[in-house]
Amino acid sequence: AAGVIQSPRHLIKEKRETATLKCYPIPRHDTVYWYQQGPGQDPQFLISFYEKMQSDKGSIPDRFSAQQFSDYHSELNMSSLELGDSALYFCASSLEAGQGSGEQYFGPGTRLTVT
Amino acid sequence: EDQVTQSPEALRLQEGESSSLNCSYTVSGLRGLFWYRQDPGKGPEFLFTLYSAGEEKEKERLKATLTKKESFLHITAPKPEDSATYLCAVQAESGGSNYKLTFGKGTLLTVNP
Repeated sequence: AAGVIQSPRHLIKEKRETATLKCYPIPRHDTVYWYQQGPGQDPQFLISFYEKMQSDKGSIPDRFSAQQFSDYHSELNMSSLELGDSALYFCASSLEAGQGSGEQYFGPGTRLTVT
Repeated sequence: EDQVTQSPEALRLQEGESSSLNCSYTVSGLRGLFWYRQDPGKGPEFLFTLYSAGEEKEKERLKATLTKKESFLHITAPKPEDSATYLCAVQAESGGSNYKLTFGKGTLLTVNP
């Protein structure tokens, strides 16, 4: 079965640089969530999109922005990178909770290292 | 604010030694409680969803149960390949489409052969 695809899998950036992470949800899933997981931490919710509109916002820095496109893929844009942004970034997708079970399926993640 | 607390933080078992992991939660209206398995450096792998107190679900050596305050993940006769971090997460009833997950810090399970 098709899974969530994330690219790139690994990314190394320097401080103050910009990074773009991409997420391709499971086919027919219309909702995308972004989570950040620091070393030894649990995943923290950043932002979500339903039908290309932002549906919820968590602890996402103002330096980060995201959007969902007409084909339902999503991109997380990160600017003015800081050392503390080094983490695993996961994308998850689901059917809109009112239509499905609300189960979120996670991608393999993008490991971002800021030097 | 939704809160999830998992215990123990770490658990070492011998192969075949059954045990349980605990997840206690506080949420303003539970829509669903989710269990995930996570291997190092990988994305969480969905295991179970529980929606109401008294519900139980099973998959191979794993069984998840739910009460109004907590959930248990029972592991029967574990094998070394069951070694992983097990994450519990809650999804609150909030209306609309914003069903974010709030995770606990996980239980790191190690099963020795």
